[in-house]
Amino acid sequence: DGGITQSPKYLFRKEGQNVTLSCEQNLNHDAMYWYRQDPGQGLRLIYYSQIVNDFQKGDIAEGYSVSREKKESFPLTVTSAQKNPTAFYLCASSIHGTSGRVGELFFGEGSRLTVL
Amino acid sequence: KNQVEQSPQSLIILEGKNCTLQCNYTVSPFSNLRWYKQDTGRGPVSLTIMTFSENTKSNGRYTATLDADTKQSSLHITASQLSDSASYICVVTGGSWGKFQFGAGTQVVVTP
Repeated sequence: DGGITQSPKYLFRKEGQNVTLSCEQNLNHDAMYWYRQDPGQGLRLIYYSQIVNDFQKGDIAEGYSVSREKKESFPLTVTSAQKNPTAFYLCASSIHGTSGRVGELFFGEGSRLTVL
Repeated sequence: KNQVEQSPQSLIILEGKNCTLQCNYTVSPFSNLRWYKQDTGRGPVSLTIMTFSENTKSNGRYTATLDADTKQSSLHITASQLSDSASYICVVTGGSWGKFQFGAGTQVVVTP
């Protein structure tokens, strides 16, 4: 079945460690996104990519890094520079709307990161 | 300031009853508005999408309305079921490409 796969589902990190969250999609979507979700807040954009080998910072990119070497994959690294990384992380993808219309966002199941 | 405001923050309803969730937005220019359902610990799933010219759209027991003049949308849940317990998120697309504006969500709890 087509969809977005995130792994791991749960991840624990010690302070000072970098961790990488995986996101793979087989929907043939051009655009991919990483969001952070905290209780009582709307989703906040960390990074997004419209095409392979290109990505842009979102609203809260500090302490995070990404790569887009393949169309299907958009991993997110949470670095030790991110001071409050405990959150629920969602990866999403959408069709690149050439007419300017943006396609529907499809989400993965999320990864919950906890700092010990 | 968030450009998408949802109300109420949370609500509790009895199984079988109806409820209505509200979404007000200031995003401009407006492209479309979506309602997503997010079960606890899962990713959001799209319920409806509405463009500027659409007033009402239904998906089973879910009915969304849009008033583009007042920039308001509502999601009506009919004959609620226990499985409707979830967070409902309003997402408005507009402005520059790839920018989705998210509301904070309404947490719905359906009790037996």
